[in-house]
Amino acid sequence: DGGITQSPKYLFRKEGQNVTLSCEQNLNHDAMYWYRQDPGQGLRLIYYSQIVNDFQKGDIAEGYSVSREKKESFPLTVTSAQKNPTAFYLCASSARHEQFFGPGTRLTVL
Amino acid sequence: SQQGEEDPQALSIQEGENATMNCSYKTSINNLQWYRQNSGRGLVHLILIRSNEREKHSGRLRVTLDTSKKSSSLLITASRAADTASYFCATDAKDNFNKFYFGSGTKLNVKP
Repeated sequence: DGGITQSPKYLFRKEGQNVTLSCEQNLNHDAMYWYRQDPGQGLRLIYYSQIVNDFQKGDIAEGYSVSREKKESFPLTVTSAQKNPTAFYLCASSARHEQFFGPGTRLTVL
Repeated sequence: SQQGEEDPQALSIQEGENATMNCSYKTSINNLQWYRQNSGRGLVHLILIRSNEREKHSGRLRVTLDTSKKSSSLLITASRAADTASYFCATDAKDNFNKFYFGSGTKLNVKP
């Protein structure tokens, strides 16, 4: 069963804590992405990776960090430096043109 | 920003009617894509149109692209209540086909 998985589905964080969102794909895609979506808004690119051990900042990278040690995995850490982290986070992978999305993680800061 | 903008922001129609959504973008592209998002879910790819294509069909979907106006439209014919969702256009960067830009979306409500 191919696809992208994200975990957890819901995540609650206290202010000042770092949290890591998981994203795994078994589609053998080279490119992976993290997007942030705020209520009623479109997707904003946080980070993307075109190949293992390489990644680039997107439009809103401040306060976030990523790693790409394996082709299948692209975890996102939301650090305490991110001032307003409450949002819906979407991970995607790409086969050149079409993007395949995971189900998302809803992060709430308490 | 190269981000696309959809118009209208929200659209409410009766089942059986057609729904038309528009997307405008700012810079040259290789491809334009349309995605659908059900509330609280990930996005699902609907259709891709290349910059050298003007129209494309897929089932009840019809997409047009006018590169001179930097705009695209998505037509859903004979809409169903199950079509209720948000619809986003996405463009890639001419010099980086691995980077995508999404618009703010059109929220479609199809009333039964």
